[in-house]
Amino acid sequence: AQSVAQPEDQVNVAEGNPLTVKCTYSVSGNPYLFWYVQYPNRGLQFLLKYITGDNLVKGSYGFEAEFNKSQTSFHLKKPSALVSDSALYFCAVRAPILTGGENKLTFGTGTQLKVEL
Amino acid sequence: KAGVTQTPRYLIKTRGQQVTLSCSPISGHRSVSWYQQTPGQGLQFLFEYFSETQRNKGNFPGRFSGRQFSNSRSEMNVSTLELGDSALYLCASSRVVGAPEAFFGQGTRLTVV
Repeated sequence: AQSVAQPEDQVNVAEGNPLTVKCTYSVSGNPYLFWYVQYPNRGLQFLLKYITGDNLVKGSYGFEAEFNKSQTSFHLKKPSALVSDSALYFCAVRAPILTGGENKLTFGTGTQLKVEL
Repeated sequence: KAGVTQTPRYLIKTRGQQVTLSCSPISGHRSVSWYQQTPGQGLQFLFEYFSETQRNKGNFPGRFSGRQFSNSRSEMNVSTLELGDSALYLCASSRVVGAPEAFFGQGTRLTVV
């Protein structure tokens, strides 16, 4: 079975400071990894994905994530946080069907990011 | 290109009633997945449809069902509603089954009273 862990329910950071939202995963085979963001009463908005290739993935709004296979992690980062980045962030994993993976996205429990002035 | 459209955005139903939610995927996308989001259980996979056939199903009771039409639009139905069915129901659109990317709609907020 595949799973995702987001160990922090909330992350607080000052505007202008770098931010990191942590994610670790468990899956058979090579994973597809994703970050989504959710604003209040809205759906999930795609931020970035790792499929294969370069371990550092760049996404929307200045976010990036680093895939670390040995640590089974996919932490979300941004060099300089904005107040408008405050939202709920979800990490998700999907295993390729060809490698016998579960054909669905499995999400972490979410991390509330709060960026303050 | 229009995104994933879910209707209605909000619903209030009474226990015991049934409800139907609709999802129109991105043009050209043929796979539709449904997820339930609640504060207690987080985001949970309900089912996935492709070419009018259910391809995968999560761990939900038979009261939860769905279907897909030839134009790829999908509906999900919940019968005999329970208070615990109150949730945000999200639909995701992908080009094909197993495609790595999924794009989500705004969701339907269902409240059961």
